[in-house]
Amino acid sequence: AQSVTQLDSQVPVFEEAPVELRCNYSSSVSVYLFWYVQYPNQGLQLLLKYLSGSTLVKGINGFEAEFNKSQTSFHLRKPSVHISDTAEYFCAVSRTNSGGSNYKLTFGKGTLLTVNP
Amino acid sequence: EPEVTQTPSHQVTQMGQEVILRCVPISNHLYFYWYRQILGQKVEFLVSFYNNEISEKSEIFDDQFSVERPDGSNFTLKIRSTKLEDSAMYFCASLGRSSGNTIYFGEGSWLTVV
Repeated sequence: AQSVTQLDSQVPVFEEAPVELRCNYSSSVSVYLFWYVQYPNQGLQLLLKYLSGSTLVKGINGFEAEFNKSQTSFHLRKPSVHISDTAEYFCAVSRTNSGGSNYKLTFGKGTLLTVNP
Repeated sequence: EPEVTQTPSHQVTQMGQEVILRCVPISNHLYFYWYRQILGQKVEFLVSFYNNEISEKSEIFDDQFSVERPDGSNFTLKIRSTKLEDSAMYFCASLGRSSGNTIYFGEGSWLTVV
């Protein structure tokens, strides 16, 4: 089984400041890694994903994340945030085996990013 | 961009009533999912569905829950006799061979059981 830990439930930052949202995972098998964003009153939108290859992945809205296998981490970063980045951010993992059920996502509890003016 | 659509967006129901949440997955996708998010908690997997049958279900998905793909486009979640603790946001999701291992989510159906 897989598990995901997002250490920070809330992260307040000022506009134009850098931000890092932390994500650690646990799994006995290889995994794919994802970050989803949930804006107020909206569904889950994919920000970025790591499947293989370069450990630094870039996503939408200027976000990037780095996969660190030795530390089992997949932290999300943005060098300069905007007020519009205020949202809940979820880290998720799935097994790499083929088959639809094995692409089941296991989510972390989420981190509420609040960007203040 | 194709999207997963869900109806209703919000439903209030009395305890013990049956509820059906509807979803239209992305048209060429083959794998379908329901997740739920109780207020303030993490998003939890309920069930996955492939080739017209359940491929995996969680402990949450007990006999009160069922899923169906009644036609070529809809994917429904039925809760037979709702309980207060079923109050949550329910997300439908789908995955296709061409979607690069990315599961796409709908905007959710917020269920309130009173």
